[in-house]
Amino acid sequence: AQTVTQSQPEMSVQEAETVTLSCTYDTSESDYYLFWYKQPPSRQMILVIRQEAYKQQNATENRFSVNFQKAAKSFSLKISDSQLGDAAMYFCAYRSSGIYGNEKLTFGTGTRLTIIP
Amino acid sequence: DAGVTQSPTHLIKTRGQHVTLRCSPISGHKSVSWYQQVLGQGPQFIFQYYEKEERGRGNFPDRFSARQFPNYSSELNVNALLLGDSALYLCASSPGDRANSPLHFGNGTRLTVT
Repeated sequence: AQTVTQSQPEMSVQEAETVTLSCTYDTSESDYYLFWYKQPPSRQMILVIRQEAYKQQNATENRFSVNFQKAAKSFSLKISDSQLGDAAMYFCAYRSSGIYGNEKLTFGTGTRLTIIP
Repeated sequence: DAGVTQSPTHLIKTRGQHVTLRCSPISGHKSVSWYQQVLGQGPQFIFQYYEKEERGRGNFPDRFSARQFPNYSSELNVNALLLGDSALYLCASSPGDRANSPLHFGNGTRLTVT
């Protein structure tokens, strides 16, 4: 079974600065997907960024980028130019691609990000 | 277009009772998944349904069941409620027929069991 570990329960960053959230995972599969989701107080899980394991290039979405290290099974999220609206719980998630139609996500325990004005 | 909608928003039940949670997916989405999120933890997968058939089941007791209707909406049922069932229940939808389409989540139903 796959596991996802987020070792930073809480992080804080000054507004406009850069912060990196860590995620490691364990799997025996070679092909899979990795995601970062954001959960603000509204409770809705919002997709931030995703990475296909077969792609060597790190995904980027505006101020959000990842550092995907497949051999190390590491998938960190970098937020540049942090904004007050980035304050939320951030969850790293894993999804196998081996079984067609299997959409099960395995989540980490989350990192609470606080933005300091 | 409307996002994933869940009802009710909040619910309080007593131990031993039964509860039904409802989810309407985004228009055109045929896959619905359910997750349980206990306070302070990440969501745990409960079920996935596609075209009314179960595609996946997480490690939950038989007290948990679900179904999907012809309009692709879904219900999650929990029998004989325990205090430990208190959690945020999230529903997510996707087209279901593409390998890497992301899940779209609703705002969840907060269930409190007393």
